[in-house]
Amino acid sequence: GAGVSQSPRYKVAKRGQDVALRCDPISGHVSLFWYQQALGQGPEFLTYFQNEAQLDKSGLPSDRFFAERPEGSVSTLKIQRTQQEDSAVYLCASSLDGGDRGTQYFGPGTRLLVL
Amino acid sequence: DQQVKQNSPSLSVQEGRISILNCDYTNSMFDYFLWYKKYPAEGPTFLISISSIKDKNEDGRFTVFLNKSAKHLSLHIVPSQPGDSAVYFCAASATGNQFYFGTGTSLTVIP
Repeated sequence: GAGVSQSPRYKVAKRGQDVALRCDPISGHVSLFWYQQALGQGPEFLTYFQNEAQLDKSGLPSDRFFAERPEGSVSTLKIQRTQQEDSAVYLCASSLDGGDRGTQYFGPGTRLLVL
Repeated sequence: DQQVKQNSPSLSVQEGRISILNCDYTNSMFDYFLWYKKYPAEGPTFLISISSIKDKNEDGRFTVFLNKSAKHLSLHIVPSQPGDSAVYFCAASATGNQFYFGTGTSLTVIP
């Protein structure tokens, strides 16, 4: 079956521009996660949804970052007034289980470059 | 502050030999650990996990060892194959679904 998909795969933005990154999780997966991976680093947790509820947003670096999953499937990560330090790969992952420790399946990521 | 550390950014191993990838952590509350494998331009793929109630978990050629007292885990790949060449991330969790990742080790298996 289809895995996690993300779009766009690459995004170049001018500093100050708003961007929206989309994640299509595996159908039926309850949990959805967003991570930020800077160059040479491991993925860093941003936020977590269980169905449409955003249960943890402790990793969002500033109030310029906003995520939603209004119908419990597709999710959008929005970054307002982008800064150069926002340049990174943004990974989305989903897991079947709404409980703890379900295996997370990752999408290919969106590579964001802010000029 | 990096709670999960992979101190070797790269490792090269001959095909057929053992690959040992290491990971250290600082948070004693971590009780669940995973290894992910990542190819270029793809997302990480789950490889193997271990709970803190165990000290070893094996899946085919892959074995993860956990030493809680040393706050150390390792991934052994035996025998190593060229297709194993990838970046390997370890990750740890204390509760819930928030995982902390290391910076990755790039493994090259030489044919």
